[in-house]
Amino acid sequence: DMKVTQMPRYLIKRMGENVLLECGQDMSHETMYWYRQDPGLGLQLIYISYDVDSNSEGDIPKGYRVSRKKREHFSLILDSAKTNQTSVYFCASSLGTTDYTFGSGTRLLVI
Amino acid sequence: QQKVQQSPESLTVSEGAMASLNCTFSDRSSDNFRWYRQHSGKGLEVLVSIFSDGEKEEGSFTAHLNRASLHVFLHIREPQPSDSALYLCAVRPTGGYKVVFGSGTRLLVSP
Repeated sequence: DMKVTQMPRYLIKRMGENVLLECGQDMSHETMYWYRQDPGLGLQLIYISYDVDSNSEGDIPKGYRVSRKKREHFSLILDSAKTNQTSVYFCASSLGTTDYTFGSGTRLLVI
Repeated sequence: QQKVQQSPESLTVSEGAMASLNCTFSDRSSDNFRWYRQHSGKGLEVLVSIFSDGEKEEGSFTAHLNRASLHVFLHIREPQPSDSALYLCAVRPTGGYKVVFGSGTRLLVSP
């Protein structure tokens, strides 16, 4: 069953701590994404990765960085987390410009 | 820059009455449209994808695309209280990688 897997599902961190969100896919999709979802704002694109070590900023990259060392794995890193980064984070992958698949999300609370 | 807007922000319908949701987009070259349902605290559930003008039916969900008027609608036939959720419209341009979301319509189906 083709899927995008996000870990962890829930995470609580203190302000100033580093946060690592992980995403994996088993479809050999070359493109992967990180979005965040906040009430009333839909999903906003943080970063897009076109392949290994080929990453581009999305609409709201400030405060985040990403790492893609293997095609099937894409990480989102928050260095020194802030309370306004409390959100639900979704990872997605796509094959070319046709189909795309979202993961189940990671709920991050920064206190 | 693609803009996607959804209306209304919230909608209440009686069980069994048709529900109609609207999504307006700005890039007429878009060719990949998808409606998602998201129950509170849950992930994104794909309802229907549509790629050309006209209608596409999936169960009780029908998407209607009119690119000339820059609208894609979602009609929900005989909604049940279990259909109460946030509905999100997602639009992708032709040959593009970035998926842009609307801010959603919150649907409440009353018994």
